[in-house]
Amino acid sequence: NAGVMQNPRHLVRRRGQEARLRCSPMKGHSHVYWYRQLPEEGLKFMVYLQKENIIDESGMPKERFSAEFPKEGPSILRIQQVVRGDSAAYFCASSTLDMLYFYDTQYFGPGTRLTVL
Amino acid sequence: EDQVTQSPEALRLQEGESSSLNCSYTVSGLRGLFWYRQDPGKGPEFLFTLYSAGEEKEKERLKATLTKKESFLHITAPKPEDSATYLCAVQAGTGNQFYFGTGTSLTVIP
Repeated sequence: NAGVMQNPRHLVRRRGQEARLRCSPMKGHSHVYWYRQLPEEGLKFMVYLQKENIIDESGMPKERFSAEFPKEGPSILRIQQVVRGDSAAYFCASSTLDMLYFYDTQYFGPGTRLTVL
Repeated sequence: EDQVTQSPEALRLQEGESSSLNCSYTVSGLRGLFWYRQDPGKGPEFLFTLYSAGEEKEKERLKATLTKKESFLHITAPKPEDSATYLCAVQAGTGNQFYFGTGTSLTVIP
């Protein structure tokens, strides 16, 4: 059973360009979370999606950032007009809801390291 | 405000020297507490889920425990390959978010 896949693993963009980060969840998982991790900081929640629905985007910057999880294909985190402050590691996690205990165990992908020049 | 605090920030142990990592949390209605291991340049690797005070889980040299205010990750007779950053996360009862601590960086010296 393949784990969570993310690509690209490394992405270099110049200021003002667009960055597209992809995440394929584990087989059977219908929930996707995106996180950002800056050096020496913890993982910061950005957005939580289910297929074709954004459930919680309270951690997403209001401008330039968007996310989707279409019926078919991977989840996409899109950053428009990137700035140097967007440089970070972006992690995707997928989960399936445990109906007995009502908690989600998240399994993480290897991350995409975005560098903005 | 929901919060997760891990201590110490960094820990150096001699091989075989047992110790504990702490994760303190303040959330409304804990749904689950999660421990992860993260190696440099990689994504967090799931270790344990705990969901009620008094629960314990074990895996090889690691044992996680949970009280109403904190969780401990006990490492017994660690080996150099246990060197990593250990992350704690909690999910509160009213929301979808997971709150992560900043981690404890563990170094085990041969």
